[in-house]
Amino acid sequence: DSGVTQTPKHLITATGQRVTLRCSPRSGDLSVYWYQQSLDQGLQFLIHYYNGEERAKGNILERFSAQQFPDLHSELNLSSLELGDSALYFCASSEGQGRNTQYFGPGTRLTVL
Amino acid sequence: DAKTTQPPSMDCAEGRAANLPCNHSTISGNEYVYWYRQIHSQGPQYIIHGLKNNETNEMASLIITEDRKSSTLILPHATLRDTAVYYCIVRGPPWVTGNQFYFGTGTSLTVIP
Repeated sequence: DSGVTQTPKHLITATGQRVTLRCSPRSGDLSVYWYQQSLDQGLQFLIHYYNGEERAKGNILERFSAQQFPDLHSELNLSSLELGDSALYFCASSEGQGRNTQYFGPGTRLTVL
Repeated sequence: DAKTTQPPSMDCAEGRAANLPCNHSTISGNEYVYWYRQIHSQGPQYIIHGLKNNETNEMASLIITEDRKSSTLILPHATLRDTAVYYCIVRGPPWVTGNQFYFGTGTSLTVIP
């Protein structure tokens, strides 16, 4: 158990819909990272937040957005969903911003029908 | 980040040591070597990391060659629960490459009874 929690575990929805994925970092960790893992792309970095502020963006679509709240939990919002958005979404947290080790949550499996 | 090369798959007999190689011939002096594993769609699990010295923890040992161009992750007594995809990641300073990890395709290790 990494100490990072993600909800829900599974999400099934239809094309065009919007969903919110939630992540609670390990106690004391200020950084939250979101990654997407699809069958044909492997693990891809999406976005990084540190203490409430966006720090880096990776391959995140404009239809996706995220935020980190004052209590440090984070939400990833996916809108206008397409079939290709079906994937595992992982959240990771680390103590700071630098080369701190990242600890990953169990993931949310999103299926878009 | 320096590129890494890992064999796509390996087998190991249960109870024997599993030695997973990683080539990172373009690694620079301030880049760390990290190892993570992912057990069947679970969140990636941190194993170990190092810069130039060999490292050991309760999970594994990391042997980095003197020229740092390659490394080996050693699981001393592999069990069936060690069957997973193992990722070797070279990570540079965050002000150069950001704080995220770049996951490749890894090595799929199968521990055989």
